[in-house]
Amino acid sequence: EIVLTQSPGTVSLSPGERVTLSCRASQSVSSSNLAWYQQKPGQAPRLLMYGASSRATGISDRFSGSGSGTDFTLSISRLEPEDFAVYYCQHYGSSPMYIFGQGTKLEIK
Amino acid sequence: EVQLLESGGGLVQPGGSLRLACAASGFIFSNYGMSWVRQAPGKGLEWVSGTGGRGESTYYIESVKGRFTISRDNSKSTLYLQMNSLRPEDTAVYYCAKRGGTELRAFDYWGQGTLVTVSS
Repeated sequence: EIVLTQSPGTVSLSPGERVTLSCRASQSVSSSNLAWYQQKPGQAPRLLMYGASSRATGISDRFSGSGSGTDFTLSISRLEPEDFAVYYCQHYGSSPMYIFGQGTKLEIK
Repeated sequence: EVQLLESGGGLVQPGGSLRLACAASGFIFSNYGMSWVRQAPGKGLEWVSGTGGRGESTYYIESVKGRFTISRDNSKSTLYLQMNSLRPEDTAVYYCAKRGGTELRAFDYWGQGTLVTVSS
């Protein structure tokens, strides 16, 4: 079973800064099967990226994703107040069908 | 506009049962795989179960196999999760989520969630 490990657990930054979040898989995975979500308190998750680097509909170009093999990243440039949230990576596989990382909390400094 | 509306959550005693429903609109329901994803209080996301567009294939995480059953009624554009033999560790907000399609192997739309609390 693939395990996704996200780092850091929590990151504190100010609006206007840039952040890069990491998602490491326990074994090599296809980038086609890697997605990122944003979740704000009390809300459902929102799809940001799929296929590791494709932005979902309506997602700002301040969000970008990259990576391959076991190492994937989500970058957010010029942080806006609405970007402060928890971010999850997700892998689509076989058993179980979907795995989520434990999440990274991006908080305002 | 795609909408997913869950219902059926509530408080249930350990060993009890609940049936969750997710009413979908704004897309051709039978064309898309659907899943249930849960989130325990203060915890991360956990995929629970999924089904293909026609409901012919179903998938579960190990911890709910034999206790939960996912199904769908495409004539009603509704997804279900029958939960039996509930345990305290099943306490969570349960979201239904729409798969994006063959190439979009992720969930592009989510419901607002329904809270299931298993406690005596």
